[in-house]
Amino acid sequence: GENVEQHPSTLSVQEGDSAVIKCTYSDSASNYFPWYKQELGKRPQLIIDIRSNVGEKKDQRIAVTLNKTAKHFSLHITETQPEDSAVYFCAARETYGGATNKLIFGTGTLLAVQP
Amino acid sequence: GAVVSQHPSRVICKSGTSVKIECRSLDFQATTMFWYRQFPKQSLMLMATSNEGSKATYEQGVEKDKFLINHASLTLSTLTVTSAHPEDSSFYICSASLLLASERDTQYFGPGTRLTVL
Repeated sequence: GENVEQHPSTLSVQEGDSAVIKCTYSDSASNYFPWYKQELGKRPQLIIDIRSNVGEKKDQRIAVTLNKTAKHFSLHITETQPEDSAVYFCAARETYGGATNKLIFGTGTLLAVQP
Repeated sequence: GAVVSQHPSRVICKSGTSVKIECRSLDFQATTMFWYRQFPKQSLMLMATSNEGSKATYEQGVEKDKFLINHASLTLSTLTVTSAHPEDSSFYICSASLLLASERDTQYFGPGTRLTVL
């Protein structure tokens, strides 16, 4: 089955700096990679996703890049703000076993943006 | 759009009782609903995948008789924690994916239910 690894586990940046979180996956057939932001005690919120037919996707200050050959994808947040502080999870859609849209999640990155 | 609700948000119960948690997709029909468990400062652990009108598929190590899942319609799934014990205390979150073929793999999460078993 799919296995997703996420680094770093914690990340502290100064307000205005960029933050990068990286994930690797094991199933070369995976074709959908979402990123979720979760604030303490709240639900995970989808912030951006990418499918395997593109290499990069951007939405304002957030971008995701995908390298299918290396089986890794990254989240980039520019001009970070204190409200970006949260736990970020990457995920990959598992394709093992046929028809499934099960997501396998990374272990999470706690991002702290220092004002 | 794509709003998922969950009820209750918090429940405290005595050991040995059963607790039912509801997950609803409010403005869309969900092909599939998922139930996760999340321990403090940890990732989301998938418990089971639920399709309307069929039996849920449980992940390895999750007891199906302990965590009963019913998916009666395209907008409602329920998770019942039977004979709850303190070790079942956790944050339970559901998610739902859209019926639309083009976005079938996008999951939208409910707000979660904090279960505390005394």
